[in-house]
Amino acid sequence: QQQVKQSPQSLIVQKGGISIINCAYENTAFDYFPWYQQFPGKGPALLIAIRPDVSEKKEGRFTISFNKSAKQFSLHIMDSQPGDSATYFCAASMRDDKIIFGKGTRLHILP
Amino acid sequence: KAGVTQTPRYLIKTRGQQVTLSCSPISGHRSVSWYQQTPGQGLQFLFEYFSETQRNKGNFPGRFSGRQFSNSRSEMNVSTLELGDSALYLCASSLPSGGTDTQYFGPGTRLTVL
Repeated sequence: QQQVKQSPQSLIVQKGGISIINCAYENTAFDYFPWYQQFPGKGPALLIAIRPDVSEKKEGRFTISFNKSAKQFSLHIMDSQPGDSATYFCAASMRDDKIIFGKGTRLHILP
Repeated sequence: KAGVTQTPRYLIKTRGQQVTLSCSPISGHRSVSWYQQTPGQGLQFLFEYFSETQRNKGNFPGRFSGRQFSNSRSEMNVSTLELGDSALYLCASSLPSGGTDTQYFGPGTRLTVL
């Protein structure tokens, strides 16, 4: 019940295309859903996060879509650029508790 | 504001040895979490310390331990190293709310067990 399942494991997208990464969770007590981006040789960094009281959050080219009834959320990267090539982790947590991360998606944007 | 620092950045040990990793959080952050990152398992939570007390713990054996000092700096220790302990160990600091606050990660310590 504490798992966060992330797919796909790897993704190749043409420059200018839309990258979509999906995650699913089981614990309905989770109330915070962040996405982290990690470049080689660096630690993960927060990209965007959402709470379950909204269905969508957009920051620039990055959008989280959240479906509370389906217990799923996804990251959409519009107009994907080579600089977006990185590993992306979805996660879920609740206050004062640990964060549960998905296993990551390695995204490669073709120039 | 200085970021999270971890030392050392690279370590090579042999099976059976023990190792201590260090993490200095961002100034003002009182929560420090540790994660193990491997290609197959992604980011796995080890433990979290807040105000020198372990607040949350992941599903790792007792060979993995940690502590936090009064200045919020944290150390983790792995005893009796096994080949499977080879991984990138990441430390993250955050404000007191822990799970629902932004985690600021350090660059990690790459541990290789031979």
